[in-house]
Amino acid sequence: AQKVTQAQTEISVVEKEDVTLDCVYETRDTTYYLFWYKQPPSGELVFLIRRNSFDEQNEISGRYSWNFQKSTSSFNFTITASQVVDSAVYFCALSEAGGFTRPRDNTDKLIFGTGTRLQVFP
Amino acid sequence: EAGVTQFPSHSVIEKGQTVTLRCDPISGHDNLYWYRRVMGKEIKFLLHFVKESKQDESGMPNNRFLAERTGGTYSTLKVQPAELEDSGVYFCASSQELAPKRNYEQYFGPGTRLTVT
Repeated sequence: AQKVTQAQTEISVVEKEDVTLDCVYETRDTTYYLFWYKQPPSGELVFLIRRNSFDEQNEISGRYSWNFQKSTSSFNFTITASQVVDSAVYFCALSEAGGFTRPRDNTDKLIFGTGTRLQVFP
Repeated sequence: EAGVTQFPSHSVIEKGQTVTLRCDPISGHDNLYWYRRVMGKEIKFLLHFVKESKQDESGMPNNRFLAERTGGTYSTLKVQPAELEDSGVYFCASSQELAPKRNYEQYFGPGTRLTVT
């Protein structure tokens, strides 16, 4: 069964601390896509990153970095030197693309985790 | 470029009433998705349009929910009659392509908060 688990419900840090948000996923497919979205207080979901299952290379974008490990089915997100503006709810999501076990069903519906609320205090 | 827009931002209705939510996707995006987040739970998929056709409606909770996308542009999601458990935030998203093509990321609107009393 497809599932995304974000075990951390809420994290509080002080500005400039590093923080890692965990994401563990389950899928039966060999080809799949992983995403992180940020939901600031304004409410919209902001796309941060996508990753396909064939690319395990870690990625860094400014203060953000992502660690994708297929061996542990994890796609963790680290914010370095956190800032107050990083305060938001962060969602990890999975999209399956089919594979050897079943044909592609031509939809990229996202399966979300329950989100992690990050509060960064000044 | 304008993002995904949703209207209204907030709706409060009584049980048994009807509500219609609207989503305007990013121009040129053929794929349009509806999702819902019930309080404290994960965001759940409702359905997916490709242009005006329903590609996948496996997430629609029951026949009180009706989604349309006439002409393949904006979409509406009607709840009739509304029940208490329908309360939540309804998100709309759009994408230009499906994976593994480029530009398959889904861009989300701000959501409509629906409260059924």
